[in-house]
Amino acid sequence: DAGITQSPRHKVTETGTPVTLRCHQTENHRYMYWYRQDPGHGLRLIHYSYGVKDTDKGEVSDGYSVSRSKTEDFLLTLESATSSQTSVYFCAISESSSYSTDTQYFGPGTRLTVL
Amino acid sequence: AQTVTQSQPEMSVQEAETVTLSCTYDTSENNYYLFWYKQPPSRQMILVIRQEAYKQQNATENRFSVNFQKAAKSFSLKISDSQLGDTAMYFCAFMKLLTSGTYKYIFGTGTRLKVLA
Repeated sequence: DAGITQSPRHKVTETGTPVTLRCHQTENHRYMYWYRQDPGHGLRLIHYSYGVKDTDKGEVSDGYSVSRSKTEDFLLTLESATSSQTSVYFCAISESSSYSTDTQYFGPGTRLTVL
Repeated sequence: AQTVTQSQPEMSVQEAETVTLSCTYDTSENNYYLFWYKQPPSRQMILVIRQEAYKQQNATENRFSVNFQKAAKSFSLKISDSQLGDTAMYFCAFMKLLTSGTYKYIFGTGTRLKVLA
């Protein structure tokens, strides 16, 4: 199993508060991703990183920001949490951008509830 | 835009029997990758199998195999000799190239499979 951890694993917060989720990897993989999982939608990409300090938006990036100051850590921040951001959040990593070898490996997920 | 459709929200199968999960996708690309991921109650996303579109041979991994029909844009997963531990949500995914040179997945909405004792 790929060495990916997410913290916290569960969080309950109130509307309007800032929240930061952390993804930590021990694989030294270059690429990292944040997805959210909602019923009826599968997993959708929020933001991704293709190197330290290199990030870009996914398809559902509104209301989220990310930072990557070290290879091993990728942070997802909700500046002002809303109830629509209640979801399960998954981090994923991949080693290369080679079309023939790239496979994403997922962390255990974080369940976030915004009241 | 690429889309992935899983038309079976829920399925069940008797232990030791065979079950097939359906997936169709839409893309204008010629070379791509398709995946099946399994998500048990633990919520961990586990790679089950991957298929390269330029390969005509269907991928197999032990009891898991795919029926890849490129012209029909169909990518079904067959689970043989079903086991109780196969109970999970199964997601079909299409790998899409991003402008940065990396990839993201387009996921289907999932099929919840229950294996009955």
